[in-house]
Amino acid sequence: GNSVTQMEGPVTLSEEAFLTINCTYTATGYPSLFWYVQYPGEGLQLLLKATKADDKGSNKGFEATYRKETTSFHLEKGSVQVSDSAVYFCALIIQGAQKLVFGQGTRLTINP
Amino acid sequence: DADVTQTPRNRITKTGKRIMLECSQTKGHDRMYWYRQDPGLGLRLIYYSFDVKDINKGEISDGYSVSRQAQAKFSLSLESAIPNQTALYFCATTPGATGELFFGEGSRLTVL
Repeated sequence: GNSVTQMEGPVTLSEEAFLTINCTYTATGYPSLFWYVQYPGEGLQLLLKATKADDKGSNKGFEATYRKETTSFHLEKGSVQVSDSAVYFCALIIQGAQKLVFGQGTRLTINP
Repeated sequence: DADVTQTPRNRITKTGKRIMLECSQTKGHDRMYWYRQDPGLGLRLIYYSFDVKDINKGEISDGYSVSRQAQAKFSLSLESAIPNQTALYFCATTPGATGELFFGEGSRLTVL
C-alpha cells in the first residue's frame, strides 16, 4: 500500500539552528510529494511540493528534494525562527488517485 | 473571510447526542473532504465527495455520515457521539487530483 513515515517528534531547536525533518514513503505508483504545515490554532496549509524525482520544492526558506532512490522527501531549513513553530506533515498522492496520504506529523518548537 | 469555513469551531457534547459539523467553501471547488486529526496519528480521511451526487467512504467512516447539500457545502454528522470521537475535525477542498488541499480552521469536538 501507500504510506508515509515521518521522524517522531516533538523536535525542539534554538532559533537560527539547522532543521531537518525526515520523511520516507512507500508507494505502489509514482507519487507526488508534499509538505504541509499547521500553525497553532489553524488548519493545514501547503508549504511545498515536488511532482517528480530530483525536483526540489521550496518556500519560506524551507526546501525538500524528491529522492526516488531513497524514497525520501526530507524537509530542511538553514536557520529556523520562532515563527516556524508548528506541526509539519509529509504527504503523498499517487497519480490518478483521489486521496492524499499523510504522515503522522512532527511537532516543531523553536526557542528564542 | 476564510475560503473554507467550519462551524462550530468548538463543541462539547455528551455521549449519545447527535452532532453536525458544517463546512462551506467559496473557492468553487468540486472536491470536498472531511478529516479527523488525533495526536500522533496524523490526519485520517472520514468521507469525501467529488460533486453533489457523489459520496465516498474514507478509511474511518464508521460512526459518521455526511451530506453534500450543494457544491459549496459539506456536512459531517455523528449520529450518536461516543468519547473516542473526541478529536479535531478538518474540512478541506481541492479543484482536482493535484494533492493541494485547502483546509478550514478545524472544529474541535469533545464528547464526554
